Amino acid sequence: AQSVTQLDSHVSVSEGTPVLLRCNYSSSYSPSLFWYVQHPNKGLQLLLKYTSAATLVKGINGFEAEFKKSETSFHLTKPSAHMSDAAEYFCVVSPGFQKLVFGTGTRLLVSP
Amino acid sequence: GAVVSQHPSRVICKSGTSVKIECRSLDFQATTMFWYRQFPKQSLMLMATSNEGSKATYEQGVEKDKFLINHASLTLSTLTVTSAHPEDSSFYICSARYRSGSGNTIYFGEGSWLTVV
Repeated sequence: AQSVTQLDSHVSVSEGTPVLLRCNYSSSYSPSLFWYVQHPNKGLQLLLKYTSAATLVKGINGFEAEFKKSETSFHLTKPSAHMSDAAEYFCVVSPGFQKLVFGTGTRLLVSP
Repeated sequence: GAVVSQHPSRVICKSGTSVKIECRSLDFQATTMFWYRQFPKQSLMLMATSNEGSKATYEQGVEKDKFLINHASLTLSTLTVTSAHPEDSSFYICSARYRSGSGNTIYFGEGSWLTVV
């Protein structure tokens, strides 16, 4: 079965500093992986997706993620945090696009 | 990106009544839509997969007679919570699968807050 583990429930950064949100996946074959962001009381917005093309995936709002098969990781990064980045982030694995398996989420807090 | 719209965004209903939530793909056709439930500060729980023109596939533990799903067209799926109770109060989110030349992508609606009083 496919699963994802988000290693941190909360991450706190200062505005202007780098962001790292960690995600490890478990899959018996090459997975499709996504990062979604959810702002308070809102739906989910797709940040980026990996579907076996380039291992470094660039998304919206300056975010990117690197697929590392040897480490079974798909960490999300951003060079410089902005106050508007404060939200809940979900790492998601998809077994063939029939279902999405969500991680437990990481809440990103950005302080001035 | 593709747009998925949910309506209503917030609804309050009395215990024992039924309430319908709509999920529309505005600029693409979606043969498959998904319904999720999210409790406060928790992750999303898949309730069911909605397939256009056929019966929905429910996840284990989800009552299909309580959560009625209809996917009558390629752009609309509805979730009806029947005989609602306060414990059904939650944030319900739908998503739709968008097929393109670069593969499949799942887009989410804005979610619907249901409060049962």
